[in-house]
Amino acid sequence: EAGVAQSPRYKIIEKRQSVAFWCNPISGHATLYWYQQILGQGPKLLIQFQNNGVVDDSQLPKDRFSAERLKGVDSTLKIQPAKLEDSAVYLCASSPKYTQYFGPGTRLTVL
Amino acid sequence: SQKIEQNSEALNIQEGKTATLTCNYTNYSPAYLQWYRQDPGRGPVFLLLIRENEKEKRKERLKVTFDTTLKQSLFHITASQPADSATYLCALPPRSGYSTLTFGKGTMLLVSP
Repeated sequence: EAGVAQSPRYKIIEKRQSVAFWCNPISGHATLYWYQQILGQGPKLLIQFQNNGVVDDSQLPKDRFSAERLKGVDSTLKIQPAKLEDSAVYLCASSPKYTQYFGPGTRLTVL
Repeated sequence: SQKIEQNSEALNIQEGKTATLTCNYTNYSPAYLQWYRQDPGRGPVFLLLIRENEKEKRKERLKVTFDTTLKQSLFHITASQPADSATYLCALPPRSGYSTLTFGKGTMLLVSP
């Protein structure tokens, strides 16, 4: 079974630029999550989708972050404009019910 | 909201010993609790789920306990190996609903030969 795919793996941008991350979940998993993980911290949920609807986006900084999940499969997370404090690893996970399966993450560096 | 506490200091043990990691929570007792392993540069990997009515769960060399009175879960690795070196995260669901998780900061385990 193929795992959760994410791209790119690494991204370096300057502050105020925009960036987008892509995630392809495990086939058949209805729930998709985006997390932000800052060095030394646990993953922090940004947004949760159930199929193509948003279940929880209470911790998403909506003035600069946006996410969509078209057709209930792939998802993209966008940051516009980026700030220095957005430097982190962005993890995508999918879940059939309780257990979450994570992708390798995208390491974002904002200069 | 739930506050999760895991030892921030790394745990250093010798190969062959039992490693014990602690996860404490401060608010409501969740319906279940999960443990994940995270290696550098990788996403977390699910290890075990224990429900509130289960005192103990085992999987190979791993054992998890869940004490809702103490609001604590213990994660044990017996006969530890250098390959067990990683960061271990505990995660709890919300009071209602079942799939959203709040993760602790994790504890780094270092097993030396």
